Amino acid sequence: AQSVAQPEDQVNVAEGNPLTVKCTYSVSGNPYLFWYVQYPNRGLQFLLKYITGDNLVKGSYGFEAEFNKSQTSFHLKKPSALVSDSALYFCAVRDWGQAGTALIFGKGTTLSVSS
Amino acid sequence: DTAVSQTPKYLVTQMGNDKSIKCEQNLGHDTMYWYKQDSKKFLKIMFSYNNKELIINETVPNRFSPKSPDKAHLNLHINSLELGDSAVYFCASSQGVPASNQPQHFGDGTRLSIL
Repeated sequence: AQSVAQPEDQVNVAEGNPLTVKCTYSVSGNPYLFWYVQYPNRGLQFLLKYITGDNLVKGSYGFEAEFNKSQTSFHLKKPSALVSDSALYFCAVRDWGQAGTALIFGKGTTLSVSS
Repeated sequence: DTAVSQTPKYLVTQMGNDKSIKCEQNLGHDTMYWYKQDSKKFLKIMFSYNNKELIINETVPNRFSPKSPDKAHLNLHINSLELGDSAVYFCASSQGVPASNQPQHFGDGTRLSIL
């Protein structure tokens, strides 16, 4: 079975400071990993994904994420937070060895960036 | 141009009624999905169709019936609505099969409220 955990309900950072939103996963095989962002009253928007290759993945809006196989983690990072980054962030995983399986989402982490 | 569009945006109705939600995507994608997001923002897959064929059918009451007239449309019909059906329902689409590594594109959701 596959699962994903986002241990923090909320992350608070000051504008200009670096931010990290944590994600750990569990799959029986190899993972496809994704980060999505949801703004109020909107659908989820894709930020970045890890498939294979370089462990550091760069995505939209200056976000990046680091895949760590030994720690089964895929934390989302940004060097300098903006107030406009305030939103709900979802990590998601799929075991690419399991045909027909759904994408499993974490429970989400609310990022609040203060000015 | 809206990539994934859902109608209606809001749906308020009485318990016991039957209602439908429509979804259309103009991205040329092969796969479409329905998700339910509850009041705690937890997101769960309901159904997935690939080229009009049902691929993923999670544990969803049979009061919920998806229909895909063509690969650009995936509608959701709900019979005998219950209070617990109150949620935001998201349609999404992606290229390739459901187990692929392609990101999903989400609509802005249909907010269903049962009185």
